[in-house]
Amino acid sequence: DAGVIQSPRHEVTEMGQEVTLRCKPISGHDYLFWYRQTMMRGLELLIYFNNNVPIDDSGMPEDRFSAKMPNASFSTLKIQPSEPRDSAVYFCASRRGDTQYFGPGTRLTVL
Amino acid sequence: KQEVTQIPAALSVPEGENLVLNCSFTDSAIYNLQWFRQDPGKGLTSLLLIQSSQREQTSGRLNASLDKSSGRSTLYIAASQPGDSATYLCAVAGGSNYKLTFGKGTLLTVNP
Repeated sequence: DAGVIQSPRHEVTEMGQEVTLRCKPISGHDYLFWYRQTMMRGLELLIYFNNNVPIDDSGMPEDRFSAKMPNASFSTLKIQPSEPRDSAVYFCASRRGDTQYFGPGTRLTVL
Repeated sequence: KQEVTQIPAALSVPEGENLVLNCSFTDSAIYNLQWFRQDPGKGLTSLLLIQSSQREQTSGRLNASLDKSSGRSTLYIAASQPGDSATYLCAVAGGSNYKLTFGKGTLLTVNP
C-alpha cells in the first residue's frame, strides 16, 4: 500500500490567496483526520471524518478554513483567504482500528 | 481539557546508552496512549500503542509503560543507535477515542 498521500508537499502563496490541500487516505480506512503542526502549538487536530461525514470540526480555527470529503478516497482542506499565521505543516491521517497512519504533510508558507 | 507534556524537550546521548522519555497527561480518562516517531520533513510513524487497560507494550528495543492513575507514560529505548535520532511524540486518545491530543515531543539525538 502506498500509505496516505498528500499533495502538494510544499506550497508558497501570498496573503489573501486561496489554498487547497489534498489527501488520499489508505484504502479501507474509515476515519480521516486533518492536523496542523507549528513550533508554538505543536500538533493540533483540525477536523475528522468518519465514512466521509465530518464528525468534529471544533479544531478548525476560523471560517476561512473548510474541509470536504466527497468520497472515501479523497479529502481537501481549503483556506480562503490565507494569512501569514496559517503558515504551518498540515498533516492528513487515516485509520482503521486504533492506529493512525500519517501522510508526509504539506508545508504551507503564506507570505 | 486534556493536556500532554513531554520532558525533556531535547535529549542528546552517546550511542549505546539506554534512555527514557517521559510523557504526562492531565485527564486520566483515556482510551489509549500512543508513541510516535517523526523524522525531519516526514510524517509521524506509530511506534507503540497501549490500551488503557494495559501496563506496557514492547517492540524490539522499545518499551512503553502506562500508569493511568498518575497520568504518566514512559518510552524506554535500549541500546540507542544513531538511527534512533528523531522527534518522539506522545499522544493520548480520550473521550470518543478518535481524538488524539499530542505532546510537543522530545527531540532525540544519538551521537556515534
